[in-house]
Amino acid sequence: EPEVTQTPSHQVTQMGQEVILRCVPISNHLYFYWYRQILGQKVEFLVSFYNNEISEKSEIFDDQFSVERPDGSNFTLKIRSTKLEDSAMYFCASSPDRGSNQPQHFGDGTRLSIL
Amino acid sequence: GDSVTQMEGPVTLSEEAFLTINCTYTATGYPSLFWYVQYPGEGLQLLLKATKADDKGSNKGFEATYRKETTSFHLEKGSVQVSDSAVYFCALSDKIQGAQKLVFGQGTRLTINP
Repeated sequence: EPEVTQTPSHQVTQMGQEVILRCVPISNHLYFYWYRQILGQKVEFLVSFYNNEISEKSEIFDDQFSVERPDGSNFTLKIRSTKLEDSAMYFCASSPDRGSNQPQHFGDGTRLSIL
Repeated sequence: GDSVTQMEGPVTLSEEAFLTINCTYTATGYPSLFWYVQYPGEGLQLLLKATKADDKGSNKGFEATYRKETTSFHLEKGSVQVSDSAVYFCALSDKIQGAQKLVFGQGTRLTINP
């Protein structure tokens, strides 16, 4: 069964550095998402992406964050000037379309640790 | 805004016990409802879904019924196994709002003892 792939599984970065989290969505999916889960807290929506542009973003997704689909397979989340509070598990997801009967498929996540 | 509330965990049961994990929601529109499961070291996997009132989602012996009158989507299983130990997340997706973002509950950690 096709799956969403995320790399790396664990990223350790010094505070103030930039980090790029990578995702390969399922190949025939059109909608892409990033979520994060701070330890002990809820999974939170960050951003959705369709047709090479952001379709919706949350309040969390400020100018520090950006997303890109640099080629036909990868979907990346860039965090600039990382802060301690960016430490979290980041999940990528994809879905075939935006209909509510098309569930999102999640990757295994990247654990980001900011030192 | 939309929100999902799950019963507090952790929940510990013996094998073959009956499981209920409560989930209630608030939404401005007509949401679809989901249960996701996260096994240790893995990502979120869709367990079951229901897209309209009175729908029952089911998978792997788990069931949940979309109750609009009580705004609930409780997860049940008649006889749990050790392999069901995981974190369970209730979530909604509101059809009226723009992109289909998921709103999650806080998760309930379930441990099944042999």
